[in-house]
Amino acid sequence: KQEVTQIPAALSVPEGENLVLNCSFTDSAIYNLQWFRQDPGKGLTSLLLIQSSQREQTSGRLNASLDKSSGRSTLYIAASQPGDSATYLCAVITTGANSKLTFGKGITLSVRP
Amino acid sequence: ETGVTQSPTHLIKTRGQQVTLRCSSQSGHNTVSWYQQALGQGPQFIFQYYREEENGRGNFPPRFSGLQFPNYSSELNVNALELDDSALYLCASSIGTGPETQYFGPGTRLLVL
Repeated sequence: KQEVTQIPAALSVPEGENLVLNCSFTDSAIYNLQWFRQDPGKGLTSLLLIQSSQREQTSGRLNASLDKSSGRSTLYIAASQPGDSATYLCAVITTGANSKLTFGKGITLSVRP
Repeated sequence: ETGVTQSPTHLIKTRGQQVTLRCSSQSGHNTVSWYQQALGQGPQFIFQYYREEENGRGNFPPRFSGLQFPNYSSELNVNALELDDSALYLCASSIGTGPETQYFGPGTRLLVL
């Protein structure tokens, strides 16, 4: 059974810091890994999707990497801003599970002005 | 914003009642997946509908049921509500049942008293 872990559960940083959010998964047989952002009480916004054959994806100040063999992904946020404050969730689609997403619990990020 | 809409946005019910949540998928999408997100947790897969048929189910009891209509909109029905059913219910639409990008709606917040 696929399990996705995100540690720590919460993180507080001063504005301008570069930061890394970690995600690990137990079953390396995945189709892809996706990072989402969730604002309080809201739905999910997809940030980056990495196919299993890829090593990383970039969008603006965000860069996500994937090491399938070790079951790890990182989301790098450059020059953090208060507007980046949100919960960040990673999710995987495991091979054979159709399009079912298995999520971690998320990391709640607070960027202090 | 995605083109996925959900109604209602908030709902309060009492234990033992029944509830119906609705989801309109993004134009051109024929697959809808439902997820339950309890407070402080990652979303959990409930089930998926593809072309009006259930196509995969998570670890949820039969009192959670669904429908998909010819226009690919979907309903989630929960009978005999329990306090633990209080959560944010998210639907996501996609094209097909493969590992394609899923687009999430804003969610319905259900509170069971």
